[in-house]
Amino acid sequence: DVKVTQSSRYLVKRTGEKVFLECVQDMDHENMFWYRQDPGLGLRLIYFSYDVKMKEKGDIPEGYSVSREKKERFSLILESASTNQTSMYLCASKAGANYGYTFGSGTRLTVV
Amino acid sequence: AQSVTQPDIHITVSEGASLELRCNYSYGATPYLFWYVQSPGQGLQLLLKYFSGDTLVQGIKGFEAEFKRSQSSFNLRKPSVHWSDAAEYFCAVGSNDYKLSFGAGTTVTVRA
Repeated sequence: DVKVTQSSRYLVKRTGEKVFLECVQDMDHENMFWYRQDPGLGLRLIYFSYDVKMKEKGDIPEGYSVSREKKERFSLILESASTNQTSMYLCASKAGANYGYTFGSGTRLTVV
Repeated sequence: AQSVTQPDIHITVSEGASLELRCNYSYGATPYLFWYVQSPGQGLQLLLKYFSGDTLVQGIKGFEAEFKRSQSSFNLRKPSVHWSDAAEYFCAVGSNDYKLSFGAGTTVTVRA
């Protein structure tokens, strides 16, 4: 069964810490995405990548960066975590046009 | 700019009754449209998608959706709801699917 795996289900970090959220897909998909999900706001796109070492900003990139050194792995980095980054983070991948996303189970991050 | 509106934040339906979830979108060209479902603590699962062709789309779990260009709508329906359909449902719109915009979601509660 194809999978998108997010390394942590729950994380608690302190304000100012550098945080890494990892996502791995085993489907050889070109495109990968990071969204954050907040109640009443749905999913908002943070960053996406359509190839190794390529990245593009989504709708809310401020305070985040990403890394894609290998095709299967897409990392989201919070350079200096803040309490307003407490959220559910969802990683997704897709094969190309005309395909839907495959989502990971999410990482619930709490910044204290 | 593309956007999605899900007018209903929460819907309660009796088991065995029919269900309709509303989705209105704003998009300048022919949209790619999706419905996803999220069970508690899980990632999002694709229910169905529309790219072109027949405007009535069949999906998994007995769901269907109808694309109405004149109304900019893509409503999701199920004739008879099961208790396992209790979840949050997200409508999404995009072009060639690289950047999807999601609605805020509709939570469905199923009562016995």
